[in-house]
Amino acid sequence: GENVEQHPSTLSVQEGDSAVIKCTYSDSASNYFPWYKQELGKGPQLIIDIRSNVGEKKDQRIAVTLNKTAKHFSLHITETQPEDSAVYFCAARSRHAGGTSYGKLTFGQGTILTVHP
Amino acid sequence: EAGVAQSPRYKIIEKRQSVAFWCNPISGHATLYWYQQILGQGPKLLIQFQNNGVVDDSQLPKDRFSAERLKGVDSTLKIQPAKLEDSAVYLCASSEAGGTYEQYFGPGTRLTVT
Repeated sequence: GENVEQHPSTLSVQEGDSAVIKCTYSDSASNYFPWYKQELGKGPQLIIDIRSNVGEKKDQRIAVTLNKTAKHFSLHITETQPEDSAVYFCAARSRHAGGTSYGKLTFGQGTILTVHP
Repeated sequence: EAGVAQSPRYKIIEKRQSVAFWCNPISGHATLYWYQQILGQGPKLLIQFQNNGVVDDSQLPKDRFSAERLKGVDSTLKIQPAKLEDSAVYLCASSEAGGTYEQYFGPGTRLTVT
């Protein structure tokens, strides 16, 4: 099955700096890579996603890049703000046997991002 | 639009006891997921329903966990009997159809087994 590794496990930055979180995946058939933000006591919330036919996607201060050959993808947050502090998870969607995709997500271990004012 | 609802939010039980969690997905969402999130880890899929049918339960410990979605809307997840290692947050998520759309997560139920 799919295996997703995420680094670093903790990341501390000063307000205004950039933050980068990296993930690798094992299943070359995976085709969808979302990033989730989880605040204390809440469920994960999708912040950005990328599909395997795209190399980069940007949404205001957040961007994601995908390298299918190397099987890794990264989250980039620019001009970080204290409210960006949370746990961030990457995930990869793999296909069921037979080529049918039913949206099974495999998550990374998470990165605790702390933005200091 | 109302989000995914889960109850209870917190539950403390002793080992070998039983517990049940309830989830009401976003209206119209055909796909429902139950995840287990152990402290310090990412969510792990336990079971996925498409309407009231099971699509994937390969990671569900079937000797003690069961789940149902009888009318294709809300769902219950049960643990019987509970073990210490079942202490985790149980997240419910839903998506529009076939898992090809964004998954919306509920707030989760934090289970502590003592």
